[in-house]
Amino acid sequence: EAQVTQNPRYLITVTGKKLTVTCSQNMNHEYMSWYRQDPGLGLRQIYYSMNVEVTDKGDVPEGYKVSRKEKRNFPLILESPSPNQTSLYFCASRIGRGWSTEAFFGQGTRLTVV
Amino acid sequence: TQLLEQSPQFLSIQEGENLTVYCNSSSVFSSLQWYRQEPGEGPVLLVTVVTGGEVKKLKRLTFQFGDARKDSSLHITAAQPGDTGLYLCAGGISGNTPLVFGKGTRLSVIA
Repeated sequence: EAQVTQNPRYLITVTGKKLTVTCSQNMNHEYMSWYRQDPGLGLRQIYYSMNVEVTDKGDVPEGYKVSRKEKRNFPLILESPSPNQTSLYFCASRIGRGWSTEAFFGQGTRLTVV
Repeated sequence: TQLLEQSPQFLSIQEGENLTVYCNSSSVFSSLQWYRQEPGEGPVLLVTVVTGGEVKKLKRLTFQFGDARKDSSLHITAAQPGDTGLYLCAGGISGNTPLVFGKGTRLSVIA
């Protein structure tokens, strides 16, 4: 089954404790991205990657890091989480950069930073 | 500045009613997509429109892309409780810009 898998689904952590949210896709997609979704603000892109070893900032990259060492994986790293990073996070992949292609989303990771 | 404005933000209707939600921009988009998101899940693609004036139908859902490719609408006929969810429009301006999402329309259909 074609899918994007995020882990964990839920995470509560304390300020400053480094964490990684994993994302993996099994569709051999080149393009992957991370979004955060907040009430009243919608989906905002954090980082994206057009291929292995190619990453770029989205609209809200501050406080986040990503890496793309393999085509299938695109982890999101919070080196020193803060309460304003409490949010619902989604990883997405698409076959290429063309905007008419379908974006496949993971089920989301609800992060709470206390 | 929000590139894609969706309206209304919230909509609560009775089963069987018709409704239209809108996605507007001052920018020209190469394509527009509509996604539906249910609680606890990620968005799922409903349709992609790429040609100005294009109309696509998906059962009781009708999608239209404006002639100037700056706006789109989603019309639902005879809404059912299963249509409940968050409807998001998303568009790409060019290959070098990120895909942008509207803030969404939260639809509730009451039986």
